[in-house]
Amino acid sequence: EDQVTQSPEALRLQEGESSSLNCSYTVSGLRGLFWYRQDPGKGPEFLFTLYSAGEEKEKERLKATLTKKESFLHITAPKPEDSATYLCARARGSQGNLIFGKGTKLSVKP
Amino acid sequence: NAGVTQTPKFQVLKTGQSMTLQCAQDMNHEYMSWYRQDPGMGLRLIHYSVGAGITDQGEVPNGYNVSRSTTEDFPLRLLSAAPSQTSVYFCASTPLVDSPLHFGNGTRLTVT
Repeated sequence: EDQVTQSPEALRLQEGESSSLNCSYTVSGLRGLFWYRQDPGKGPEFLFTLYSAGEEKEKERLKATLTKKESFLHITAPKPEDSATYLCARARGSQGNLIFGKGTKLSVKP
Repeated sequence: NAGVTQTPKFQVLKTGQSMTLQCAQDMNHEYMSWYRQDPGMGLRLIHYSVGAGITDQGEVPNGYNVSRSTTEDFPLRLLSAAPSQTSVYFCASTPLVDSPLHFGNGTRLTVT
């Protein structure tokens, strides 16, 4: 069965304390691995797409990496405004939609 | 551009009532989809469309109908609401198969 598994479910950090979120997937022929940020009461907001193992993308304090089995979202020196739920997803065949993990809820305390 | 617009933002229904959740996008995207989001379950695909006139079922289609008569609009219909359909519903669109989805801000539905 196609799966996207995220860990941990929740992560509490102090401001400035760097960490990583994990996303593992079970599919051959990955057609794209996506990271989203979701704030309470809002729709998911796109962050990154990764298409091949070894690929990396960065945006401010966030860096996404991809291997053949998993992706990491590294958060460097986080700030309270980085608090959100981070969602990982992979492309579902040629249907133009995604299979999502259950998310990691990140809380950054000042 | 407004992006993906969902209406209403909030809705309360009684068991057995029907309603339509509206979704419109102004980006000329071919692919559209409906998800529901429940605590501990993540986002689950209800129905999707690969173009005007073409729809198909996702993971959790029971109790929901869709149609796609235009590229812009993709309404989701609940024919007879049940408490199990209490959820937050998101509509999304994308121009290409492997491109990121653009999401609306959701409709929070409560069925009593």
